[in-house]
Amino acid sequence: SAVISQKPSRDICQRGTSLTIQCQVDSQVTMMFWYRQQPGQSLTLIATANQGSEATYESGFVIDKFPISRPNLTFSTLTVSNMSPEDSSIYLCSVAGGPFNTEAFFGQGTRLTVV
Amino acid sequence: QQQVKQSPQSLIVQKGGISIINCAYENTAFDYFPWYQQFPGKGPALLIAIRPDVSEKKEGRFTISFNKSAKQFSLHIMDSQPGDSATYFCAAASGGYQKVTFGIGTKLQVIP
Repeated sequence: SAVISQKPSRDICQRGTSLTIQCQVDSQVTMMFWYRQQPGQSLTLIATANQGSEATYESGFVIDKFPISRPNLTFSTLTVSNMSPEDSSIYLCSVAGGPFNTEAFFGQGTRLTVV
Repeated sequence: QQQVKQSPQSLIVQKGGISIINCAYENTAFDYFPWYQQFPGKGPALLIAIRPDVSEKKEGRFTISFNKSAKQFSLHIMDSQPGDSATYFCAAASGGYQKVTFGIGTKLQVIP
């Protein structure tokens, strides 16, 4: 199974600022996924990040608000820009793995509170 | 459009009882149906998964039942224990790379 480390694990930020979340995987992976989990809600996919190309964003999410970098096969960052209290959520990094590359593994998440 | 519908949203079960969580999906392209368990402060962890070519899969106390024609699947937790208290997400995916669509989640509480 893939081991995923996210930093920071939590943060409290002022509105209007930006936060960059880092995701490090212990093995090379082609695709990395970023999810948002709002309080008491399910997980919603923000974007899919391939190494060497621009991220693909899901409906309702835009690059200006959630820029993503994917500089190599083990690392990605998600930035939450110009934050508002509505951005308070848990942000999770995920990769595909397992013997048939069919399992989704998740980091522990970054709990973001915007005040 | 909610592609994976999950119920109930909360569930209280006595220790030793059976916990049952139901899910339904709409997209017939889905070919992989995992269940995730999430404890507070942690990311979701894969619990058990099934493909539509089988109707049931059992791992220990956890069983998935799958009804392809009805586009429904369910998780049964036998002999539920207080340590099973967590949020459970059903999910569905298609393709080799697992971009997963999640249900809304069920918060399970197992009381002694």
